[in-house]
Amino acid sequence: KQEVTQIPAALSVPEGENLVLNCSFTDSAIYNLQWFRQDPGKGLTSLLLIQSSQREQTSGRLNASLDKSSGRSTLYIAASQPGDSATYLCAVRQNQGGKLIFGQGTELSVKP
Amino acid sequence: GAVVSQHPSWVICKSGTSVKIECRSLDFQATTMFWYRQFPKQSLMLMATSNEGSKATYEQGVEKDKFLINHASLTLSTLTVTSAHPEDSSFYICSAFPGQGIKNGGYTFGSGTRLTVV
Repeated sequence: KQEVTQIPAALSVPEGENLVLNCSFTDSAIYNLQWFRQDPGKGLTSLLLIQSSQREQTSGRLNASLDKSSGRSTLYIAASQPGDSATYLCAVRQNQGGKLIFGQGTELSVKP
Repeated sequence: GAVVSQHPSWVICKSGTSVKIECRSLDFQATTMFWYRQFPKQSLMLMATSNEGSKATYEQGVEKDKFLINHASLTLSTLTVTSAHPEDSSFYICSAFPGQGIKNGGYTFGSGTRLTVV
């Protein structure tokens, strides 16, 4: 059974810092991995999607990496801003069109 | 593109009543939609997979008679919480997969529905 774990559960950093969020999964046979952002009381916004054949994806200040063999993904946020404060969730999909399995999320707070 | 609209965004209902939540794919057809539940400070837990034109598939431990799912068209799935009780108070989110032809190719989520049962 696939299990997804995110560390740390919460993180507080001063504005401008670079930071890394971690995601690990127990079954390396995934179809893809997706990182989401969730603001309090809101739905999910997709940030980056990495296919199983890819090693990383970048969008602006965000960079997500995937090491399938070790069951790990990281989300790197450069030059953090207060507006980055949110909960970040990673989720894996085992097959095309299959369900997403979520980690518990990392609650990020960027202090001005 | 690939927008999922969910309504209502919040609802308060009395214990024992039923509440219907709608999930619409606005610019794509979704043969499959997913319904999640999220308690405060916790992650999303899949409740059921909604399949257009057929019965939904429920995850273990989810009462199918309490959480009725209807997916009558390729753009609309509904979740009805029947005889709601305070313990059903939660944040419900739907999602759909637009297909590989859509940019990004990942799942798109609705904005969620905050249900409070009093």
